[in-house]
Amino acid sequence: QVTLKESGPALVKPTQTLTLTCTFSGFSLTTSGMRVSWIRQPPGKALEWLARIDWDDDKFYSSSLKTRLSISKDTSKNQVVLTMTNMDPVDTATYYCARIPRYCPNGVCYSFFDYWGQGTLVTVSS
Amino acid sequence: SYELTQPPSVSVSPGQTASITCSGNKLGDKYTCWYQQKPGQSPVVVIYQDTKRPSGIPERFSGSNSGNTATLTISGTQAMDEADYYCQAWDSSSVVFGGGTKLTVL
Repeated sequence: QVTLKESGPALVKPTQTLTLTCTFSGFSLTTSGMRVSWIRQPPGKALEWLARIDWDDDKFYSSSLKTRLSISKDTSKNQVVLTMTNMDPVDTATYYCARIPRYCPNGVCYSFFDYWGQGTLVTVSS
Repeated sequence: SYELTQPPSVSVSPGQTASITCSGNKLGDKYTCWYQQKPGQSPVVVIYQDTKRPSGIPERFSGSNSGNTATLTISGTQAMDEADYYCQAWDSSSVVFGGGTKLTVL
């Protein structure tokens, strides 16, 4: 059974650094093709992809936020950590982590977010 | 950067067919996924690789993708299908989501 769960502060002050942890079970980030992403959703607004880390430690970031984001993994703990610097009230959102494995049957590759965490609401306010 | 455009809202009567579009430059050259999100819940994939349904997703959900437009079609729409729907595609190694469409069943 695959599960993911986000944890971190519910409230951060402007200019502070946010650190979120995604703890997962039911799969391993050492498995070839396995990947985990962070996505956020401001209240009443659309989903926004933030970052991704792959089984081989490749890392990818949203072009608009790449200077503020860092993603890492601890395979021994089954955790993925996202840090976002210089938080602003516009960063108030529910932050999700989600699994997005890469499938390549018959040489045709595809992927999609197949499991999501419940999300954690982060409010940025002084 | 790559953009996906969805209509903000779509309304449909129960039992009728709902179509939600997602537009992007040469979107037909990419694989598109669709996610359903109900209030207070995490998104759930309903279509992946343009046309495929994950196990557990009702057959009334179908997808297509050609040219610059991907379409999610819900046949025989039910009240339980009322939700926000997001399309998603890839731009190189980055994930792109559409702005979301609120489906109202009335």
